[in-house]
Amino acid sequence: AQSVTQPDIHITVSEGASLELRCNYSYGATPYLFWYVQSPGQGLQLLLKYFSGDTLVQGIKGFEAEFKRSQSSFNLRKPSVHWSDAAEYFCAVGPRSGTYKYIFGTGTRLKVLA
Amino acid sequence: NAGVTQTPKFRVLKTGQSMTLLCAQDMNHEYMYWYRQDPGMGLRLIHYSVGEGTTAKGEVPDGYNVSRLKKQNFLLGLESAAPSQTSVYFCASTHGLAGGLYEQYFGPGTRLTVT
Repeated sequence: AQSVTQPDIHITVSEGASLELRCNYSYGATPYLFWYVQSPGQGLQLLLKYFSGDTLVQGIKGFEAEFKRSQSSFNLRKPSVHWSDAAEYFCAVGPRSGTYKYIFGTGTRLKVLA
Repeated sequence: NAGVTQTPKFRVLKTGQSMTLLCAQDMNHEYMYWYRQDPGMGLRLIHYSVGEGTTAKGEVPDGYNVSRLKKQNFLLGLESAAPSQTSVYFCASTHGLAGGLYEQYFGPGTRLTVT
């Protein structure tokens, strides 16, 4: 079955520390992959996406993610976290030909300590 | 461009009342979606549409109906609201690329409480 797993429900880091949020997927074909961020009371905003090509993708707000086919992972990273990064982060797999449904992970809530 | 907008932003209903949530997008997207978000459960797909005049069921369609009479609008209806429908509702839209669909653009959400 197709699925997206975000193993960490909550993560707490200190401001200025590095961050890695994990995402593992199960999908029959090469997936289209996305990371979204949701601030409290807001909708989801796209951070970055992977369709093909270079497996290290850069996004907004200083985030990057690496697609590792052998590990079925698409982990999100940031070298130095800012207090404004506190939010919930969702990993998603996009639909391929003939399908229309996106598969979302259950999210990781990030807390940033001053 | 306004992107994806949702009306209303907040609503309180009594059990058994009906209401319609409106989603509008100005990006000429073919595909539109309605999700609900509940604590600890991520996003769950209610209904979606692959074009004007079409709708399809998602994973939690019971108690909801939808219509897509115009390409830019996607309406979500609750005919007889129940407390279990208390949630935050998000609309999203996207367009196609070769071999799949692009990223979704989300609205700001509608917070619905059913008492």
